[in-house]
Amino acid sequence: AQSVSQHNHHVILSEAASLELGCNYSYGGTVNLFWYVQYPGQHLQLLLKYFSGDPLVKGIKGFEAEFIKSKFSFNLRKPSVQWSDTAEYFCAVGNFVFGPGTRLSVLP
Amino acid sequence: EAGVAQSPRYKIIEKRQSVAFWCNPISGHATLYWYQQILGQGPKLLIQFQNNGVVDDSQLPKDRFSAERLKGVDSTLKIQPAKLEDSAVYLCASSLGWDTTYEQYFGPGTRLTVT
Repeated sequence: AQSVSQHNHHVILSEAASLELGCNYSYGGTVNLFWYVQYPGQHLQLLLKYFSGDPLVKGIKGFEAEFIKSKFSFNLRKPSVQWSDTAEYFCAVGNFVFGPGTRLSVLP
Repeated sequence: EAGVAQSPRYKIIEKRQSVAFWCNPISGHATLYWYQQILGQGPKLLIQFQNNGVVDDSQLPKDRFSAERLKGVDSTLKIQPAKLEDSAVYLCASSLGWDTTYEQYFGPGTRLTVT
């Protein structure tokens, strides 16, 4: 069975700091990989996705993620975070198996 | 376009009582999902429908949970009887197709508290 782990439970950053959230998955075959975001009081929404091709994928709001097959990883990055990025971030495999989430708090 | 609608938004019941949640997906979306999200965890897929047929219900606790999507549009999820550990947010999502390449759109969820 597929499983997803996320390295950090809660990350606190100041505005303009760089962000990297870790995600590792267990399944060794072909996978579709996703990052979802849930802003306070809002629905879960798709941030970005990887199916095949260029392992560096770009999503909305300046986020990107890199798929490293050898490490079973799909880490989320953003060069400079904003206060509005405060949210819960979920990595998902195959669209149906979610990680436990990482809460990001950005201090103004 | 209208998003995925869910009701009620909040529900408090006592253990051993029954409860039902309703979901109306985005118009034209053939696939509908129910997830359970326990506090501090990611969403866990309970059941996936393609039109009015079940694609995957392997993680649905069938002794107490049931779900239906009779006309291939809206859906209900029922718990009977509820246990304390059922306290969670129940999310409904829909997509155009069942393949994982289709984006899922989530509703606001129903927060269930079992006392």
